[in-house]
Amino acid sequence: NAGVTQTPKFRILKIGQSMTLQCTQDMNHNYMYWYRQDPGMGLKLIYYSVGAGITDKGEVPNGYNVSRSTTEDFPLRLELAAPSQTSVYFCASRQWVGTEQPQHFGDGTRLSIL
Amino acid sequence: AQSVAQPEDQVNVAEGNPLTVKCTYSVSGNPYLFWYVQYPNRGLQFLLKYITGDNLVKGSYGFEAEFNKSQTSFHLKKPSALVSDSALYFCAGQNSGYSTLTFGKGTMLLVSP
Repeated sequence: NAGVTQTPKFRILKIGQSMTLQCTQDMNHNYMYWYRQDPGMGLKLIYYSVGAGITDKGEVPNGYNVSRSTTEDFPLRLELAAPSQTSVYFCASRQWVGTEQPQHFGDGTRLSIL
Repeated sequence: AQSVAQPEDQVNVAEGNPLTVKCTYSVSGNPYLFWYVQYPNRGLQFLLKYITGDNLVKGSYGFEAEFNKSQTSFHLKKPSALVSDSALYFCAGQNSGYSTLTFGKGTMLLVSP
């Protein structure tokens, strides 16, 4: 009963490096989301997807890219890491049926960029 | 545009006392409202939701929330706080026609023994 799984849990990057944050869910949810959480700022939506092959920008998409080739996976790509991208990143998913279903969250990836 | 406000950064309450964590929203149309809880180094966990119907919504771990349309509020409540309730609480909302949630900034609840 894994739910939403995020890897890695922790990562330190140097400025200008790139990396991919992995997210996979085993609940057959159509909707998937990427958020970043900064202290005192709540969660900000980066990108989301309503199904395989469909993605859309959220509130803070700059510096990030996503793809959704399967229902299960929704990786987040940082191309040129910047100190402002130091944050905790959460992936979430929810069921297709209606907009009232709650989102299920992974345990996050803690990313530091030095 | 949607917005959710949590006016308190931190709420302190003694164990056994009632607790309230406040939330106000600005969502056009029919709002869908949620409360989530986050424990240290974990993702958010769903507590309860308001979609339609009764203004008092009951959720997990003895929590409940009261939807007040005239005051555009959705406060989280519990009759008797436990030390283990200490965590970060998020209110979130969306318009019924949206696919995305807007989160408040979070309120840290500290329950003292």
